[in-house]
Amino acid sequence: RKEVEQDPGPFNVPEGATVAFNCTYSNSASQSFFWYRQDCRKEPKLLMSVYSSGNEDGRFTAQLNRASQYISLLIRDSKLSDSATYLCVVAQGSQGNLIFGKGTKLSVKP
Amino acid sequence: SQTIHQWPATLVQPVGSPLSLECTVEGTSNPNLYWYRQAAGRGLQLLFYSVGIGQISSEVPQNLSASRPQDRQFILSSKKLLLSDSGFYLCAWSVSRGNQPQHFGDGTRLSIL
Repeated sequence: RKEVEQDPGPFNVPEGATVAFNCTYSNSASQSFFWYRQDCRKEPKLLMSVYSSGNEDGRFTAQLNRASQYISLLIRDSKLSDSATYLCVVAQGSQGNLIFGKGTKLSVKP
Repeated sequence: SQTIHQWPATLVQPVGSPLSLECTVEGTSNPNLYWYRQAAGRGLQLLFYSVGIGQISSEVPQNLSASRPQDRQFILSSKKLLLSDSGFYLCAWSVSRGNQPQHFGDGTRLSIL
């Protein structure tokens, strides 16, 4: 089983749609979780951390289910500018090194 | 605020030539530093990380090496590049506590001919 698994997509959605990405991780000892966004040919940028209680930042909502080892990202009212690849990231080990999923590609169309 | 600088942005090198990519961080002390490679259509692969000056941990055996001569400077090197070294190289930093998010430089796109 891969350490961090994501549906590669692509997800093609119209503007204004709600879209959800899911991610599973294999190491139950993982301690921190993040979503990053990567635009084409650019560096990954931190979108949000994921907390056990779930957290929201504007149109973005992240959820963590430790029992199922499952992380989700919900984007509401999607914009053209949301088009990017979304990376699920898990921190584990004594150094807290990050394990990156391969990403889910989102394309928002007018 | 903290900033990370990575250069050059693009590089075209012949097979067998040496490589040196440099990364510097400003606005923080004693950061953890990381080098990643992202091959076309692939995920991020951690190459090296460093928790302090002169301390380098290698994640995968390879044709590359890393050095940290100063607290906020991280260098990726190779004596002889291979075709398989092509890719997008990213430097990142995080605070020295574990399990913190990492922040990336703009990356270097390396093409080997």
